[in-house]
Amino acid sequence: DTGVSQDPRHKITKRGQNVTFRCDPISEHNRLYWYRQTLGQGPEFLTYFQNEAQLEKSRLLSDRFSAERPKGSFSTLEIQRTEQGDSAMYLCASSSPGGGMTEAFFGQGTRLTVV
Amino acid sequence: AQSVAQPEDQVNVAEGNPLTVKCTYSVSGNPYLFWYVQYPNRGLQFLLKYITGDNLVKGSYGFEAEFNKSQTSFHLKKPSALVSDSALYFCAVRDGYGGATNKLIFGTGTLLAVQP
Repeated sequence: DTGVSQDPRHKITKRGQNVTFRCDPISEHNRLYWYRQTLGQGPEFLTYFQNEAQLEKSRLLSDRFSAERPKGSFSTLEIQRTEQGDSAMYLCASSSPGGGMTEAFFGQGTRLTVV
Repeated sequence: AQSVAQPEDQVNVAEGNPLTVKCTYSVSGNPYLFWYVQYPNRGLQFLLKYITGDNLVKGSYGFEAEFNKSQTSFHLKKPSALVSDSALYFCAVRDGYGGATNKLIFGTGTLLAVQP
């Protein structure tokens, strides 16, 4: 399978714990995005990487959130001291170079439940 | 700021009938518009996009979309609906182009229900 892969698919954690999600983009894609989707809403942008450089972070990304993309390949999204409001589907997407004309391909997401 | 609106939370259609899912947009500059579909507990699947050229864009699974600049709309259409088309559909606009982030701005989604 050459699509975007996310791990884990589901995560249940207790409030206050730290969690980390992984995303493996399509191999030739240099652009990687993280989005968050809550029930009844469209995905909301969190952060963007071009190769290993994190070029934009949404104001939705509080200090408890951090994302990395070492070596410009896979990416991780860590949430520290989780809160119930962090419960959501976290989606990763990647796209090839080509400015705004190329479509983004999404992974199946990681569903986080904070109890 | 770029934005899209999907005015219908849900669209109901009988199998075999044509379907339309509406989307309007607000952008500065030329719009890059996309449609995605989401099945339960799944990620988003790309359906089609409008960048430039013909106003009628054809995509996956028999879907097409019509770009209308004067009405700032990009409605998704299919001539004959299938029960398997039942899913959540998202319209999106790309925020910036060229050297910008190119992140997508999504609408709130429209649930399509196709009755047998």
